[in-house]
Amino acid sequence: AQSVTQPDARVTVSEGASLQLRCKYSYSGTPYLFWYVQYQRQGLQLLLKYYSGDPVVQGVNGFEAEFSKSDSSFHLRKASVHWSDSAVYFCAASRTGGYKVVFGSGTRLLVSP
Amino acid sequence: NAGVIQTPRHKVTGKGQEATLWCEPISGHSAVFWYRQTIVQGLEFLTYFRNQAPIDDSGMPKERFSAQMPNQSHSTLKIQSTQPQDSAVYLCASSLPQNTLYFGAGTRLSVL
Repeated sequence: AQSVTQPDARVTVSEGASLQLRCKYSYSGTPYLFWYVQYQRQGLQLLLKYYSGDPVVQGVNGFEAEFSKSDSSFHLRKASVHWSDSAVYFCAASRTGGYKVVFGSGTRLLVSP
Repeated sequence: NAGVIQTPRHKVTGKGQEATLWCEPISGHSAVFWYRQTIVQGLEFLTYFRNQAPIDDSGMPKERFSAQMPNQSHSTLKIQSTQPQDSAVYLCASSLPQNTLYFGAGTRLSVL
C-alpha cells in the first residue's frame, strides 16, 4: 500500500541550528513528493514539491529537500532555523499523474530560543 | 486571490444534530478535496471532485456523511446526526489538475 512515514513525531532544535526532518515513502515508481507546513490554527501551506529532475529542490523561507530513490526518502532541511519556524511539518506524496495525496503523520518542530 | 475559503471556522453541534461545512475553492481550480484532521488519525482523505463531478469518495464514512459541489464556486460537506467521534478539523483544498493542493484554514467541528 502507498504510504508516507515521518518517524519523528516531535523535534526540538535551538534557534540558529540546522534542521533535518525525515520522510520515507512507499510507492511503486517515483511519486510526486511534497512538504507542507501547518502553523497553529491554520491550514496547510506548501513549502516545496518534487516532480522530477534535480533531486534537491528549493522551497520557501530557506527550506530545501532532497529526493533519494535508493533510500525512498525525501528529507527536509534548513541551514538555520528561526523561532517562527515552529510548526507542524507534513510530508506527502501522490502517484505520478494521480490526484490523491497521502500525508505522513507530521512532525512537530519546536525552535527554542 | 483570497485563497480557499472555509466557513464557519468553528462549529459546535449537539449530538444528533446536522452540520454543514462550506468551502469556496480558488477561482479557476478544477479540483476540490476534503480532508479530515484528528490527533489520532492525522490527515485523512475524504472525497474529491473534478470539474464539479464526484470522482472519489472512498474516504467518506458510508453513513451520515455526504458532499456536494453544486457549482464551481463552492462545495459542501454535510454530516447528519453528528457524533462525538466526528469532532475534527475538516480541511478543504483545491488545485489545478495534477498540481499542488491549496488548503483552506479549516473548520473545527466540535460535537458535544
